[in-house]
Formats: sequence, structure tokens, C-alpha cells
Amino acid sequence: QSALTQPASVSGSPGQSITISCTGTSSDFGNYNLVSWYQQHPGKAPKLIMYEGSNRPSGVSNRFSGSKSGNTASLTISGLQAEDEADYFCSSYVRSTVFGGGTKLTVL
Amino acid sequence: QVQLVQSGAEVKKPGSSVKVSCQASGGTFSNYAISWVRQAPGQGLEWMGGIMPIFPTANYAQKFQGRVTIIADKSTSTAYMELSSLRSDDTAVYYCARMVVGTRAFDYWGQGTLVTVSS
Repeated sequence: QSALTQPASVSGSPGQSITISCTGTSSDFGNYNLVSWYQQHPGKAPKLIMYEGSNRPSGVSNRFSGSKSGNTASLTISGLQAEDEADYFCSSYVRSTVFGGGTKLTVL
Repeated sequence: QVQLVQSGAEVKKPGSSVKVSCQASGGTFSNYAISWVRQAPGQGLEWMGGIMPIFPTANYAQKFQGRVTIIADKSTSTAYMELSSLRSDDTAVYYCARMVVGTRAFDYWGQGTLVTVSS
């Protein structure tokens, strides 16, 4: 497994929706949807915001949603808020964990 | 609630080793895997390896094979990561993270330990 590919940056205005992609190969994702997404604010540890592709942990806003099609997983944030400005990382597990390179979200 | 508390920042010389600890509380230590993930300054996350405390053997990323050792002490609910032959590009924040075995997601993270490798 090599690192998953994410756009380096995305931006959006408050209230808008954005989507962050996470692309790999069939060997990066395997036959299971063990894709997770993490949010990381500067100087903080990552926080789990999505697991198994589209499941939100308790306490995570329903403005966050996830999906997967083929070899691309996606994280959508709707109703952008200033507090959503952070780095976002995807990960996938087949025989081990591999992370994406991360996407910096800027809320304009 | 679940907490993972890591040991403090370290400054090491090139060629030396560092050992970082991660003490878990608030959950059943043996029911989860503990992984170590590092983040170089301004860079992304990198999985180094992990261990399931009920099993004696850890799994390591190929990149770190032979240089990293991960162990778990069930008696103190503490996991350790030792990285040897340190180089300047090992300078990073090292996180421990609890993995839910069924989902392979890291649901709790330690606060991070900055390891600086400098002569």
C-alpha cells in the first residue's frame, strides 16, 4: 500500500458544501470499506469523524458525511462553519493502515 | 472516559534511541489494538506499527522494520514504542492511537510526543 491521494487544499465559504476526495488503488481499499476520516486542528491530535466509509462516531455533526465509489472515498462537509477549518486525513486498512497525504480546508 | 496519556518531549542525538510510552485509562486495554502514528513538521500522518495487547507480536510498517519495537504491558495498561538509529528526519510528533478492531478506525489518540533529533 502506498499513501492515498488527497487534494492538498480545498476552500469554501460559510454555509457552502465541500467534498474532499481520497483516491487509491484496488489494493489500497481491498474488498472492505475500512475507510476512516480524521480532522486535525493545528497543534492538536487527530479526531475520528468517520469510520467504515460513512459512519459517524457519536458526537460528530451530521454535517459530515462519507461515501466511497470504486477506488475513491469522499468526505463531504455541508453548511461549512468557521470551526471546520482544519486538516483532514483519510485512511484505509487492508493488511495495515495507510493514510492520505491530508487536505487543508480553508473556510473563506 | 478513555484517555491515552503519552510521555513528554524528547531531544535525542542522531544514532541514539528513543522510547515513548502511552498509558491508557477508562477502557479495557486488552480489547483494543494500539498503534503508533507519527507526523513530521508540516507533514501528514504515517502509520508505524501496532500491537494487540492480548497477542505478543506487533506488526510494523515495512519502512520501520528492524528499527522500531512496540510492546504492551497489560499490567499497567501501557504501550511503548522504541525507535532506534535515530536520524534528523525522525523529528516528528509521535502519537499513540487506539484502534477499534472491527472498524480499523482510531477512535482515541494520545496528546502526542515531540521527538527532536539534533546533534
